[in-house]
Amino acid sequence: DTAVSQTPKYLVTQMGNDKSIKCEQNLGHDTMYWYKQDSKKFLKIMFSYNNKELIINETVPNRFSPKSPDKAHLNLHINSLELGDSAVYFCASSQDQGAGETQYFGPGTRLLVL
Amino acid sequence: AQTVTQSQPEMSVQEAETVTLSCTYDTSESDYYLFWYKQPPSRQMILVIRQEAYKQQNATENRFSVNFQKAAKSFSLKISDSQLGDAAMYFCAYRSALNYGGATNKLIFGTGTLLAVQP
Repeated sequence: DTAVSQTPKYLVTQMGNDKSIKCEQNLGHDTMYWYKQDSKKFLKIMFSYNNKELIINETVPNRFSPKSPDKAHLNLHINSLELGDSAVYFCASSQDQGAGETQYFGPGTRLLVL
Repeated sequence: AQTVTQSQPEMSVQEAETVTLSCTYDTSESDYYLFWYKQPPSRQMILVIRQEAYKQQNATENRFSVNFQKAAKSFSLKISDSQLGDAAMYFCAYRSALNYGGATNKLIFGTGTLLAVQP
């Protein structure tokens, strides 16, 4: 019944490694997002996809590469992890790009880079 | 660029009492949406309430209501009859209703207010 799911929920890794976070939504939504929440709880958009097409890339380093194999999935791959990448990453989805559409968030993935 | 400010890092309320969380925003746009999200310790982001800027009537959802003052660019959240389950981080968020470069897609968040509910 989970609307927006993310795997894994926790990820601990070493600096320099490459890791992926998966996101899936079963709501039939067209638009998906990645947000980053830093240690001070500040939430900021990273990417947005609509029907598998990249809409927003919010000045995120090239080490971050989103991939949307289909409308229901938006995965986040991170190369050469750095200490500053430690954060909670949230996936979200909405029916479409409409401004009034509610964004439904996943449970978050807590990434810790050592 | 739009900004959202929550000036209260922490608030506390007694169970069954009423509390108001403040939010101000800065924008030159006339059409936009405002949201309050709740993040309990489980980390799950949950939509509490939303307001369309073109609607003068304040939104309400059960014990949650907003005081939307468009001219003052203020959007406060009132929680009535506070319950222990209301304890969480509350985020105010802005979303443009214009659509240039996908701008309508992103939520712009404030820094959050941590609400404690005392039994």
